Amino acid sequence: AQSVTQLGSHVSVSEGALVLLRCNYSSSVPPYLFWYVQYPNQGLQLLLKYTSAATLVKGINGFEAEFKKSETSFHLTKPSAHMSDAAEYFCAVSDYGNNRLAFGKGNQVVVIP
Amino acid sequence: DAGVTQSPTHLIKTRGQQVTLRCSPKSGHDTVSWYQQALGQGPQFIFQYYEEEERQRGNFPDRFSGHQFPNYSSELNVNALLLGDSALYLCASSLYSGSEAFFGQGTRLTVV
Repeated sequence: AQSVTQLGSHVSVSEGALVLLRCNYSSSVPPYLFWYVQYPNQGLQLLLKYTSAATLVKGINGFEAEFKKSETSFHLTKPSAHMSDAAEYFCAVSDYGNNRLAFGKGNQVVVIP
Repeated sequence: DAGVTQSPTHLIKTRGQQVTLRCSPKSGHDTVSWYQQALGQGPQFIFQYYEEEERQRGNFPDRFSGHQFPNYSSELNVNALLLGDSALYLCASSLYSGSEAFFGQGTRLTVV
């Protein structure tokens, strides 16, 4: 079964500092990997996705993630945090064309002014 | 395009009751998946519907059932509600052939 692991449920970052959220996956087949963001009382919005093309994936709002097969990782980064980045972030994995997503437990990001 | 729409947005039910949640997929999408998101947790896959049939199912009891209509909209039914069923229920739509999943705003179910 596919799964992802996100460590550190709460992440505090200063405004203007690097945002780094870690995600490691487990999959028996080449995975599709995703990062979603969830604002309070909202659904999930896709930030970016990896679908076996370029290993460095750029998403919305200045976020990007790099797929590293040797490390089974798909970490999310943003060079400079903004107050509007305060939200919960979920890493997810699926099989090709499956659309059944397995989510991590999420990271609650707090941006300190 | 209204995207994925879910109704109602909030719901309060009593233990033992039954509940029905509704989802309209994004225009052009033919597949609907349902997820349960407990407080402080990531969403958990319940099941997926395509061509009016349940195609995949997660680790949820038979109290959770669903339906898909010819217009691709879907319902999630939960019988004999337990306190532990309190959660945000998310609907996602996609193409069965494989595409990005779009999520609705969710239905917040509270069981008292």
